[in-house]
Amino acid sequence: DADVTQTPRNRITKTGKRIMLECSQTKGHDRMYWYRQDPGLGLRLIYYSFDVKDINKGEISDGYSVSRQAQAKFSLSLESAIPNQTALYFCATSDHGLAGGPTSRTGELFFGEGSRLTVL
Amino acid sequence: GNSVTQMEGPVTLSEEAFLTINCTYTATGYPSLFWYVQYPGEGLQLLLKATKADDKGSNKGFEATYRKETTSFHLEKGSVQVSDSAVYFCALSTSGTYKYIFGTGTRLKVLA
Repeated sequence: DADVTQTPRNRITKTGKRIMLECSQTKGHDRMYWYRQDPGLGLRLIYYSFDVKDINKGEISDGYSVSRQAQAKFSLSLESAIPNQTALYFCATSDHGLAGGPTSRTGELFFGEGSRLTVL
Repeated sequence: GNSVTQMEGPVTLSEEAFLTINCTYTATGYPSLFWYVQYPGEGLQLLLKATKADDKGSNKGFEATYRKETTSFHLEKGSVQVSDSAVYFCALSTSGTYKYIFGTGTRLKVLA
């Protein structure tokens, strides 16, 4: 099983619908991120969370919200989807801190396989 | 602000050719530098990294050296294979923030 799991992997929806993308991880990392990938634009940060009580906006948070339900779960919501939110979305964790254990500072991001969202 | 600039693709090479993908950065302080690779249909995975000036990261035949004087972290491989076909992202993270800035990605296609 993947260490960082995203659901759904593919979703087609209509303008105005509410969509939730879910992410769960088994790596024991405190830090979780949501990125959006668009052709020619690379990855852009939507939201990030350094622990369950800490949520921060990234560079493109408008139109999105997040929920950190538990240390291992971080969900991204689109309250009213619009076509320009069509993109590939990635959840990631980082090992800058390990919950309940020694601190690892390698700085690596671990990505899920992505959720492709199409808004018609 | 912090930024990463990498060469635009796509880059098309024949098998066993030499690869260079350029990456330059702008950052305050002393960032860590990374190359991530994205194979078709998959998420990104770390290819190599360097955390201080003059460090050389290497993995799977790929290398990149952290050059503070030229603010660069160019990716190189002496002999590419068809299996290296992927999108390559240069990235940095700044100490104290643990946020990451990604380049736009360079698609590499290797022909047999």
